[in-house]
Amino acid sequence: AQKITQTQPGMFVQEKEAVTLDCTYDTSDPSYGLFWYKQPSSGEMIFLIYQGSYDQQNATEGRYSLNFQKARKSANLVISASQLGDSAMYFCAMREGGTSYGKLTFGQGTILTVHP
Amino acid sequence: DGGITQSPKYLFRKEGQNVTLSCEQNLNHDAMYWYRQDPGQGLRLIYYSQIVNDFQKGDIAEGYSVSREKKESFPLTVTSAQKNPTAFYLCASRTGKNEQYFGPGTRLTVT
Repeated sequence: AQKITQTQPGMFVQEKEAVTLDCTYDTSDPSYGLFWYKQPSSGEMIFLIYQGSYDQQNATEGRYSLNFQKARKSANLVISASQLGDSAMYFCAMREGGTSYGKLTFGQGTILTVHP
Repeated sequence: DGGITQSPKYLFRKEGQNVTLSCEQNLNHDAMYWYRQDPGQGLRLIYYSQIVNDFQKGDIAEGYSVSREKKESFPLTVTSAQKNPTAFYLCASRTGKNEQYFGPGTRLTVT
């Protein structure tokens, strides 16, 4: 079974509007972390936001927020006020606790295109 | 400036040759990682190292080797045993808060 599922291969959004990128995860470990990364066409992976499984509040970083619904095992990324520079591939990733040594498991990614 | 450097950005090799990809970090992070990315795919873990002189296989270690002689350096060798070596290779290091930061990557093409 996939540990991280991103069901949206591609998403389109109008500049200045908000967009939600979906991510569901599968783990039986009570301690885990969820990450979102942005990968522009240059290839670098840019860390956006992190949510720990025991965090009480949803994580926010500037225009990025993570809609964490633990019971549903979902960790959707919300980008507010989209900008043209937000066009990129976005990856959801999970780190499981225990002896995983910080290993990240990635989803397949969602390509976001922001239209002017 | 603190960060992770990978060199070179593009690398071309003939089939049957070993090639070593460089990864250096000056962030004083203990843990370092190598991932592979194929077109349109997510990243897959090749090797990781928690401390100097120690490293462990990830999910797709066959055909690869690493060393960790210094905290700052974690080079990856793609050997001739790797059946499909053409890919984008990303190195990462981890903070105490479990956030992983990535280098700019190396695109390896083997013909």
